[in-house]
Amino acid sequence: AQTVTQSQPEMSVQEAETVTLSCTYDTSESDYYLFWYKQPPSRQMILVIRQEAYKQQNATENRFSVNFQKAAKSFSLKISDSQLGDAAMYFCAYKWGSEKLVFGKGTKLTVNP
Amino acid sequence: DTGVSQNPRHKITKRGQNVTFRCDPISEHNRLYWYRQTLGQGPEFLTYFQNEAQLEKSRLLSDRFSAERPKGSFSTLEIQRTEQGDSAMYLCASSLVSNYGYTFGSGTRLTVV
Repeated sequence: AQTVTQSQPEMSVQEAETVTLSCTYDTSESDYYLFWYKQPPSRQMILVIRQEAYKQQNATENRFSVNFQKAAKSFSLKISDSQLGDAAMYFCAYKWGSEKLVFGKGTKLTVNP
Repeated sequence: DTGVSQNPRHKITKRGQNVTFRCDPISEHNRLYWYRQTLGQGPEFLTYFQNEAQLEKSRLLSDRFSAERPKGSFSTLEIQRTEQGDSAMYLCASSLVSNYGYTFGSGTRLTVV
């Protein structure tokens, strides 16, 4: 079964600094999709960035970028110029074949002013 | 477009009672999903609809749980004879093309006392 592991339950970063959140996954498939979702306190989950496994180029969305290492089954999220509004739970998720997403347990990000 | 709407936001019920939650997806989205999220965990897949057809169900969805999506529009999730272990956040999401990710609602937080 596919599993997603986020090894950092909590991370903190100073405002304007850069932080990297880790995610590894287990799969025997070659074509799949990976996602990072942000869940602010008491608010809905928002898609931050997605990566298609067949694309070697790392996805980028403004201050958010990923380091996708397919052979290592690693999909880390880098947040540059961190802002107070980036404070949230961040979930890594995997999708292959069926419609369902498999999520990790999440990383709580704190941004210090 | 008001996004994915879930009602109620919070529900407190006594053990053994039945509860029903409603989800209104983004109108043009034909795919609808239910997930459950417990404290300290990532969301776990429960079930998926494409239009009005329920195409996939998790083994987490015991026979006390039933979901419907009449006419392929809104969906309801009913839990019969609630147990304390049912206490969780129930998330609804919708998509047009799931490989691009879902849009989540704000969730219904269920507390069984």
